[in-house]
Amino acid sequence: DSGVTQTPKHLITATGQRVTLRCSPRSGDLSVYWYQQSLDQGLQFLIQYYNGEERAKGNILERFSAQQFPDLHSELNLSSLELGDSALYFCASSVGGRQVNTEAFFGQGTRLTVV
Amino acid sequence: QKEVEQDPGPLSVPEGAIVSLNCTYSNSAFQYFMWYRQYSRKGPELLMYTYSSGNKEDGRFTAQVDKSSKYISLFIRDSQPSDSATYLCAMKADSWGKLQFGAGTQVVVTP
Repeated sequence: DSGVTQTPKHLITATGQRVTLRCSPRSGDLSVYWYQQSLDQGLQFLIQYYNGEERAKGNILERFSAQQFPDLHSELNLSSLELGDSALYFCASSVGGRQVNTEAFFGQGTRLTVV
Repeated sequence: QKEVEQDPGPLSVPEGAIVSLNCTYSNSAFQYFMWYRQYSRKGPELLMYTYSSGNKEDGRFTAQVDKSSKYISLFIRDSQPSDSATYLCAMKADSWGKLQFGAGTQVVVTP
């Protein structure tokens, strides 16, 4: 168990809908990353937050947004869903900040299926 | 050109053999290097983390970093069928930065 919790584990929804994925980082971790992994594809970086502030942005669609709350949990919002958004969405957390031990630990992911 | 290059494989080895995996990268600013193991459609599991050049050993796993060549490696000794998975290298320039992944190498260890 990595200590990173993602909910829900599975999500099935229709095109055009909006969903929210939730991530609770490991205790003490201030940095949260979101990744998308489509079938047989690598991990695509979406966005990173550190202590509530956006730190880095990757190939995140305008229909997607995220935030990190004061209690450090993070949510990824996906709207106007399309069939191509079906994928595994992973959250990772790390201590972040000016520390040497900054390895990232992943949750088990949310499997999103858009029908 | 991708920042991190990794051969997707598949790499098939017999049980007991040494598995050799590697990644090359183009961004000389990368300082933190990680190797993850991912079983089919599960969350990536951190195997090794290195901060500087040189070797790091943990059980059957050895990670090597050569910053001068921009090349990192992972060796798995005495491979087992349970080592069959996709292995991903990852790296970042600083503790704040995004984690950049390679494409992952699929490894199959045959009994």
